[in-house]
Amino acid sequence: QSVLTQPPSVSGAPGQRVTISCTGSSSNIGAGYDVHWYQQLPGTAPKLLIYGNSNRPSGVPDRFSGSKSGTSASLAISGLQAEDEADYYCQSYDSSLSALYVFGTGTKVTVL
Amino acid sequence: QVQLQESGPGLVKPSQTLSLTCTVSGGSISSGSYYWSWIRQPAGKGLEWIGRIYTSGSTNYNPSLKSRVTISVDTSKNQFSLKLSSVTAADTAVYYCASCGDYFAFDIWGQGTMVTVSS
Repeated sequence: QSVLTQPPSVSGAPGQRVTISCTGSSSNIGAGYDVHWYQQLPGTAPKLLIYGNSNRPSGVPDRFSGSKSGTSASLAISGLQAEDEADYYCQSYDSSLSALYVFGTGTKVTVL
Repeated sequence: QVQLQESGPGLVKPSQTLSLTCTVSGGSISSGSYYWSWIRQPAGKGLEWIGRIYTSGSTNYNPSLKSRVTISVDTSKNQFSLKLSSVTAADTAVYYCASCGDYFAFDIWGQGTMVTVSS
């Protein structure tokens, strides 16, 4: 039931930069609602990584950055590290008849 | 530091009601402008928002589950709860409780609890 579309997987070598896209519509990202990103390590609960499009909670390394434009958003991971291997989800608010909170389809980041 | 902990049966029979409780520790469930949500994740799949409650008791539910979901709050126990009726195997998932504060982001999550629907 995800209404935000992400690539299923991205990969990169240690030290490289990878980006994950999140495509929505005029009822969520395009309506001006903020985009948030979560990191989910294997077997654990999601953790808030980026909030309000580009803000990092305390303790999140500045290797992680977020941006938003139009009906899409992106998460960038620079200086990729082995511990960054995880699933990443975007999330926004939706004003249509769907769920108030909508998540992305999820992206598996693999460190080669 | 606020922490959330889910609790409830790990096995529910088809057609019965799934009941889970989330206990808030390290802070009051009534403080601040927080919404308290339930989110689930079937094995190997993505996240699905189930519903939310404000401490006033006002609720919002995912339309796809609305007819079967009830979320309630007990401020005296610093807990909020989920009831999902008429469950089927499709409701088998890890269920998370989470707080939603500024920016409508889920900033604090419970560790999750696995619920299996099976006879």
